[in-house]
Amino acid sequence: ETGVTQTPRHLVMGMTNKKSLKCEQHLGHNAMYWYKQSAKKPLELMFVYSLEERVENNSVPSRFSPECPNSSHLFLHLHTLQPEDSALYLCASSQARDSYGYTFGSGTRLTVV
Amino acid sequence: AQTVTQSQPEMSVQEAETVTLSCTYDTSESDYYLFWYKQPPSRQMILVIRQEAYKQQNATENRFSVNFQKAAKSFSLKISDSQLGDAAMYFCAYRRGNSGYALNFGKGTSLLVTP
Repeated sequence: ETGVTQTPRHLVMGMTNKKSLKCEQHLGHNAMYWYKQSAKKPLELMFVYSLEERVENNSVPSRFSPECPNSSHLFLHLHTLQPEDSALYLCASSQARDSYGYTFGSGTRLTVV
Repeated sequence: AQTVTQSQPEMSVQEAETVTLSCTYDTSESDYYLFWYKQPPSRQMILVIRQEAYKQQNATENRFSVNFQKAAKSFSLKISDSQLGDAAMYFCAYRRGNSGYALNFGKGTSLLVTP
């Protein structure tokens, strides 16, 4: 049990589909994050939620829509994606402003066809 | 913006030997934290070691230690007595202190451990 659980583990979707990625943490953390990991690139921060309020958004296209209904759950809603959106999407959690870094989930491998 | 550079895309080490992974970063901040994360094939990022910028003493965690050179903005990871289970991608990451949230990552170094 990693403390941060992501589902599904793999997802294949067409460009016209709508799907959602789910992240759940059982660590009592109050901040959650979405990162995109593409081959040969550094991890890209997409969204940050602290105390369920979005506090950082790194100019992510609107086809990605996050939702944080409570401090334990985080979603990433996907619609009309492009093939270049294929990547590993990692969720992480932490205590807001804590210096101990993040706890990551195992990611969702997304393929857009 | 802070950038993190890992100049070694791949490294190889023989079992029981020592290997050093390089990382440099660029920042104008004085208060920050540095991390090394390991990502095995299971894909989960695992924290290996962290360093506070205000501490001069290099962090150590069992077989893992860092060489933190603040003036040079260098933060290398040394793995001693390498084991097969150390094979993974290793990412260097930076986070601002105080109000900073985001971890900024380098591109990673793939470490191969040979028997």
